[in-house]
Amino acid sequence: AQSVSQHNHHVILSEAASLELGCNYSYGGTVNLFWYVQYPGQHLQLLLKYFSGDPLVKGIKGFEAEFIKSKFSFNLRKPSVQWSDTAEYFCAVASGGYNKLIFGAGTRLAVHP
Amino acid sequence: DTEVTQTPKHLVMGMTNKKSLKCEQHMGHRAMYWYKQKAKKPPELMFVYSYEKLSINESVPSRFSPECPNSSLLNLHLHALQPEDSALYLCASSQGGTSGATDTQYFGPGTRLTVL
Repeated sequence: AQSVSQHNHHVILSEAASLELGCNYSYGGTVNLFWYVQYPGQHLQLLLKYFSGDPLVKGIKGFEAEFIKSKFSFNLRKPSVQWSDTAEYFCAVASGGYNKLIFGAGTRLAVHP
Repeated sequence: DTEVTQTPKHLVMGMTNKKSLKCEQHMGHRAMYWYKQKAKKPPELMFVYSYEKLSINESVPSRFSPECPNSSLLNLHLHALQPEDSALYLCASSQGGTSGATDTQYFGPGTRLTVL
């Protein structure tokens, strides 16, 4: 069965620090990969996605992620975080014809001014 | 416009009540989804509708009954719920059809349900 692992459950950073959140998945076939963000009190929003092509994908708000097939990883990065990036970040994997999304446990990011 | 709307925002119900959650999208999407999200947990898929037909039921108890009256609307009928069913219920939609696994799901704000 598919699974998604996010190793960092809580991350605390100061503003301007660099961010990298890990995501690993277990599935041998073709996958589509997503990062969603849930700001406090708000709904899940798509940050970025990877379907095919360039393994380095850029999303909204300066986020990017790199798909490394050999490592089954899709880590999220941002060079300089802001207080407004405080949120919960979910990695998700979809495969198969029914677009069934499997979410990781989430990483709660707190950015201090 | 990537908006999915859900009503109500909050719902409190007793274990003997019958209530419904509503979800609407006007993006022309043909796939719609219900997820359940407990506090500090990721969303978990409950149901998938594709072209108004139920295509996935993730072994959800029968006290949850989904309905898709048309391509823009998705309902979740609730009856005889338990306190452990208290959660945030999220609706999502995606283009569906032959796009299959390359679809992107767009989420609504959710209905926060409390069962007393």
